[in-house]
This record gives sequence, C-alpha cells and structure tokens, in this order.
Amino acid sequence: AQKVTQAQTEISVVEKEDVTLDCVYETRDTTYYLFWYKQPPSGELVFLIRRNSFDEQNEISGRYSWNFQKSTSSFNFTITASQVVDSAVYFCALSKYGNKLVFGAGTILRVKS
Amino acid sequence: KAGVTQTPRYLIKTRGQQVTLSCSPISGHRSVSWYQQTPGQGLQFLFEYFSETQRNKGNFPGRFSGRQFSNSRSEMNVSTLELGDSALYLCASSLDSGGALDTQYFGPGTRLTVL
Repeated sequence: AQKVTQAQTEISVVEKEDVTLDCVYETRDTTYYLFWYKQPPSGELVFLIRRNSFDEQNEISGRYSWNFQKSTSSFNFTITASQVVDSAVYFCALSKYGNKLVFGAGTILRVKS
Repeated sequence: KAGVTQTPRYLIKTRGQQVTLSCSPISGHRSVSWYQQTPGQGLQFLFEYFSETQRNKGNFPGRFSGRQFSNSRSEMNVSTLELGDSALYLCASSLDSGGALDTQYFGPGTRLTVL
C-alpha cells in the first residue's frame, strides 16, 4: 500500500524566512511519481512539481526548491525568502500511474508580515 | 487555455437526497478523476474515467458513482446523501497521451453541505 506522511500539521514563519516542508512516503513500487500541490484559501489545488522515482536530481524554480532522496523516502519542499502570498496548505502526493494520487494530510503554512 | 471547471460551486442538500456534480476538463484532456476532501479524512481518490469508462476506483460505497461523456466531460452522483458526505469535491483532468506520466490539474471544487 502507498502512504504519504506530512508530519508538520502547521508552520508559522515571518516573511523572508526560509521554510522547509517535509514529506515522507512509503511504496513497494519501483516506479512511482511524487508531486507537490498548493491549496490557497480558494480551494483549488495548484500543481507545483512532479518527480519520477528514477530522477533524484534536485530542482529549483525561483524561490522554490525540492530535495528528493530515495534512501530516506523523502521529498522535501523548501521556500526561500517566504512571502505572505505563500500562505496556503501544501500537499505532497504519490502515484504509481499518475492518475490516482495518494495525498498526505497537508501542511498549513502561515507567513506573517 | 481554460482550466478545469466545476459546477455548481456550492450546494446544500438534505439527508436522503441525491446530488449530481459536473466537471469540464481542460480542452484536449481525456482523463477525469474525482477526489473528496474532508477535514477528517483529507483528500481521497474517488474514481477516474477515461474514454467514457471507469478506469480506477477508490474505496467508497456504491452510493458514489460517475460517468464520462464522449466530450470528456464528467459527472459524479451521490445517492441517499449522508451527513458525512459533506465535503469539497475536486475534479482533476489530465492529458493521458499514453505516456508514462500525466499531471493532474484540478478545478476549484464543489462544496457540498448535507443538512
């Protein structure tokens, strides 16, 4: 069975601080995909990144970066110099085929000005 | 390109009634998936439709059903509503070109309240 654990229920930071959101996953599949989505108060899930199990290269996109480590089954997400607009719920998800996502419980990020 | 649209955005029903939610995928996307989001259970996969056929199904009772039309639009139906069905129902679409991975893009959701 697949499982995603986001142990941080809620994180509060002050604007411009760096923040890392943790994600640990469990799967017996050798091929799988990992995702991060952002859910602002409007409710829509916004796609941020996907990574397949064969690509452990870290990725940076602007202020966002992701660290994928198969050895520890982790796929952590870092926001550098956080901004108030980053306040949202962030979900890590796992999929074998891409069209059936198993989500973590989510981490509420509050960025205060 | 327009995103995934869902109608209605808000719905209030009473126990025992049935409800139909609608989802229009991104143009060209052929796969539509449905998810239920509740405070207690989080985000859970309901089912996925591709080419008018249910391709994957989550662990929900038979009261939850869906269908997909030839234009890829999808509907989900919940019969005999229970209080616990109150949730945000999210629809997602993906291209599903036959490649190894397709990213799902989500709509704004339908907030269902059962009284």
